[in-house]
Amino acid sequence: ETGVTQTPRHLVMGMTNKKSLKCEQHLGHNAMYWYKQSAKKPLELMFVYSLEERVENNSVPSRFSPECPNSSHLFLHLHTLQPEDSALYLCASSQDWGLYNEQFFGPGTRLTVL
Amino acid sequence: GENVEQHPSTLSVQEGDSAVIKCTYSDSASNYFPWYKQELGKRPQLIIDIRSNVGEKKDQRIAVTLNKTAKHFSLHITETQPEDSAVYFCAASISNAGNMLTFGGGTRLMVKP
Repeated sequence: ETGVTQTPRHLVMGMTNKKSLKCEQHLGHNAMYWYKQSAKKPLELMFVYSLEERVENNSVPSRFSPECPNSSHLFLHLHTLQPEDSALYLCASSQDWGLYNEQFFGPGTRLTVL
Repeated sequence: GENVEQHPSTLSVQEGDSAVIKCTYSDSASNYFPWYKQELGKRPQLIIDIRSNVGEKKDQRIAVTLNKTAKHFSLHITETQPEDSAVYFCAASISNAGNMLTFGGGTRLMVKP
């Protein structure tokens, strides 16, 4: 695998379920990001990790919990989600957290909350 | 915080014509403006970017212009081809906010053969 990979690609869950999204980057990057992409809305930055430390938390509800065990892996743990959380969740990585660093996106996980 | 507005939301052009997508931003401290292209069912990919110390940048058929005074920047695609059909996102970033991008709402470009 090359670039940024995400699993699963599709996920359907009930509001009481607990699930996790996984992202892995094979680029040797130091920064990783979670975005939410909803229909007819801009890409929303959720979390940023730089060298495994969270540097940004964009007022995201606590039902979303990120984890970055090392610079290559990023998880998004989900629990007690709402139907309005249904969206495409994109992971991205960049060489560093500093300005001008191109962000490389994964293919996304299409999440449906019933 | 930063707010980025993008227009139009949809744009249909004939193959060979030019396409222009415009974005405005609210924070005058923004100084990095990338453009991403997202083809149907695929991931966003960077196609061009511009920094605040430059007024225009070109890469083959695409160009980006920046007007810092008016706080707007535009993407220009010349000689459009069917493979240019995609959703285009503009974004802005502030130097003291690391690599945190604020995205516009996207423009769906359709190029008719």
